[in-house]
Amino acid sequence: NAGVTQTPKFQVLKTGQSMTLQCAQDMNHEYMSWYRQDPGMGLRLIHYSVGAGITDQGEVPNGYNVSRSTTEDFPLRLLSAAPSQTSVYFCASSYLAAGLTDTQYFGPGTRLTVL
Amino acid sequence: AQTVTQSQPEMSVQEAETVTLSCTYDTSESDYYLFWYKQPPSRQMILVIRQEAYKQQNATENRFSVNFQKAAKSFSLKISDSQLGDAAMYFCAYRALDSGSRLTFGEGTQLTVNP
Repeated sequence: NAGVTQTPKFQVLKTGQSMTLQCAQDMNHEYMSWYRQDPGMGLRLIHYSVGAGITDQGEVPNGYNVSRSTTEDFPLRLLSAAPSQTSVYFCASSYLAAGLTDTQYFGPGTRLTVL
Repeated sequence: AQTVTQSQPEMSVQEAETVTLSCTYDTSESDYYLFWYKQPPSRQMILVIRQEAYKQQNATENRFSVNFQKAAKSFSLKISDSQLGDAAMYFCAYRALDSGSRLTFGEGTQLTVNP
């Protein structure tokens, strides 16, 4: 199993450009989520999904869109990049049931810089 | 809304010594999960230990143990016999029982291990 994969690992954008961060998992996890990590602020939830066709907003959703057409993939779209979106982005997945089986697995992260 | 606070931005410990990282949280829920994640320079998020709030016994995983004080809403991580490989950013995280797998993270504590 590859686990949770993210592409690209690094990206530089100009203000106003759009792009999609890719996330895929091969563990048949129902739950997938996107976090952003900023210095001194820990990880904050952007959007999450509990299954194909179902998404919901997290703590900091503005400026981001998501969709979940398959169980495996959960892309994050930046509609019009802003310098405030400079951050490290993590995708995570897990089974949905509560208990020991719902440990979240994180991808390696994408470092995004918006100039 | 739940909040998680780590009041120690940086900590250091001598190799082979013991160090304790602090975490407090705020919630109105009676049942929930608490986690400690480790993030080494590779950026990968690694689950260190988890605690179910309904369990009175403190969780342990080899050299890692927690001191869970439910009434005080405190969840500290003790690392015994510290090793150079323990150097990392450590995040405390909370998950309510009915929130799927949504995690709320603290700000993080950067741990340095001195040889």
